[in-house]
Amino acid sequence: QKEVEQDPGPLSVPEGAIVSLNCTYSNSAFQYFMWYRQYSRKGPELLMYTYSSGNKEDGRFTAQVDKSSKYISLFIRDSQPSDSATYLCAMTLSGGYQKVTFGTGTKLQVIP
Amino acid sequence: DGGITQSPKYLFRKEGQNVTLSCEQNLNHDAMYWYRQDPGQGLRLIYYSQIVNDFQKGDIAEGYSVSREKKESFPLTVTSAQKNPTAFYLCASSYSLDTEAFFGQGTRLTVV
Repeated sequence: QKEVEQDPGPLSVPEGAIVSLNCTYSNSAFQYFMWYRQYSRKGPELLMYTYSSGNKEDGRFTAQVDKSSKYISLFIRDSQPSDSATYLCAMTLSGGYQKVTFGTGTKLQVIP
Repeated sequence: DGGITQSPKYLFRKEGQNVTLSCEQNLNHDAMYWYRQDPGQGLRLIYYSQIVNDFQKGDIAEGYSVSREKKESFPLTVTSAQKNPTAFYLCASSYSLDTEAFFGQGTRLTVV
């Protein structure tokens, strides 16, 4: 079993829909959680970075962490075709990037 | 413009040849990283460097080598000992191991 599980998709939604992207993890010691967006043939870019359980909002994006269930989510409101990309979750025991574990990514397609 | 530059974008090599991938950053970051990305797998850490003239093996260092002679540069050599070198290689950097990492645009290496 992988430490971090992420549905690879693809996930297709109509423009304007609310998108829910999810990851589950097995190591209860993970403390820091991140979401990256990766366009095709490009490097990932950091979208959200959270430490504690609960919600963190940034514009149309909301990151949710439920440590008791070992489950994290990224919600995208009013999805746009420009949101079409692969979304990677990532997590680490401490804040150190040398110990970050990445999910395999979920490919999202927003249909105009 | 500040950022991380990886070159070349695409690279083709014959089996048995060593090849060096370039990574340069002008963000004044101390820490730099090399990841490998394969379909269906999360990003996997090859090597990282916390500071100039220091580097550490990541999870999949076998068949790779690095150097960190300058703060701005962290080249990765894929040697003939690497059994499956064809992959998408990503370089990243951060102020320290505990802070947000920024990624380059990647180099796609194909070994034939």
